[in-house]
Amino acid sequence: SQQGEEDPQALSIQEGENATMNCSYKTSINNLQWYRQNSGRGLVHLILIRSNEREKHSGRLRVTLDTSKKSSSLLITASRAADTASYFCATDDLIAGNTPLVFGKGTRLSVIA
Amino acid sequence: KAGVTQTPRYLIKTRGQQVTLSCSPISGHRSVSWYQQTPGQGLQFLFEYFSETQRNKGNFPGRFSGRQFSNSRSEMNVSTLELGDSALYLCASSLVGDGETQYFGPGTRLLVL
Repeated sequence: SQQGEEDPQALSIQEGENATMNCSYKTSINNLQWYRQNSGRGLVHLILIRSNEREKHSGRLRVTLDTSKKSSSLLITASRAADTASYFCATDDLIAGNTPLVFGKGTRLSVIA
Repeated sequence: KAGVTQTPRYLIKTRGQQVTLSCSPISGHRSVSWYQQTPGQGLQFLFEYFSETQRNKGNFPGRFSGRQFSNSRSEMNVSTLELGDSALYLCASSLVGDGETQYFGPGTRLLVL
């Protein structure tokens, strides 16, 4: 399976601290995406990083990608209580081509006010 | 543009019954994917439809089926419901699929008693 694996499974931090989540995957990719899911709701796309990019920023989010290690990290800076959610990475498959995104099992982030 | 909508939002059924869930994608999106989300298995891909054709299928039994209409709206059907089918069913749309950003609906929460 090419399913991504997020690490840690759960993370609890104080408001204002930074949160770092990691994702590992198994196959060659075109791009890697991060999504957020608030409890029991649909996923919301956060950021997409292409295989030829090493780092990307969006507001308080910073994503890195290391294709040699098949890993990515998501950093949320100056976290807020509203950042409490589950975060998922999703990858496509460069070799197989037109296949659906594969999601990891997610990291549950709790930001305590 | 209106987002992805799913109906119904909540559903309670008993074992052996069947259920049909509906998804309306973002206008102009031709790819619709369905996922099952449970606490134990995470997000699992069910199938993807593109231009009324099933393009990809996940590893689910034949009790799970779907279709897509000419206006890109999609339905999924689960026959002979089992307790293990209780889950959040998520629909996502994208312009053409193939590893693009997916836009998720709020989900349908199905409880099988």
